[in-house]
Amino acid sequence: ELKVEQNPLFLSMQEGKNYTIYCNYSTTSDRLYWYRQDPGKSLESLFVLLSNGAVKQEGRLMASLDTKARLSTLHITAAVHDLSATYFCAVDGSQGGSEKLVFGKGTKLTVNP
Amino acid sequence: DGGITQSPKYLFRKEGQNVTLSCEQNLNHDAMYWYRQDPGQGLRLIYYSQIVNDFQKGDIAEGYSVSREKKESFPLTVTSAQKNPTAFYLCASSTPSVSYNEQFFGPGTRLTVL
Repeated sequence: ELKVEQNPLFLSMQEGKNYTIYCNYSTTSDRLYWYRQDPGKSLESLFVLLSNGAVKQEGRLMASLDTKARLSTLHITAAVHDLSATYFCAVDGSQGGSEKLVFGKGTKLTVNP
Repeated sequence: DGGITQSPKYLFRKEGQNVTLSCEQNLNHDAMYWYRQDPGQGLRLIYYSQIVNDFQKGDIAEGYSVSREKKESFPLTVTSAQKNPTAFYLCASSTPSVSYNEQFFGPGTRLTVL
């Protein structure tokens, strides 16, 4: 059974600082997705990582995937208040045809002035 | 505009009552999904459907039922058998392939038991 673990679950950081969120998963997969959720809102797709070594960047966020280590990272550079949200990683848990995603519990990020 | 709509936004249920949550998409996606989110938790899969007239149970299907009579629609019924239904319900859709299954989410329905 595929398990997905994110850490930390809570992250409070100052504006301008850098930090990394980690997403570990338990079985082989080379398809991983990052989502953002604002309080009371739905999930918004951030990054799609589909191969070992994949790296995607958007503004102050950069995501990478290491399928051999079963690890994805979401790096935050020079954080700003607008990045405050909960970030989820999700791993494709199917063999062959894609069906189900298994989500981590999320990392609640608070960026303080 | 293409997208996923869910209604209602807020729903209140009395004990012993069945309620139905609506999910509609005009993205021409084949697959649709229902997730439940509890406070401070990740998403848990309730049901999913890859084609019309077919659906599979997810990890927490007990107390829920679905139908998929049209490609665009995937309603979820929360039955009285679901003892703790208060949660945020999210519908998603995708066009899965062997190598790709990015899911897109609707705005959600917040269900509260009175």
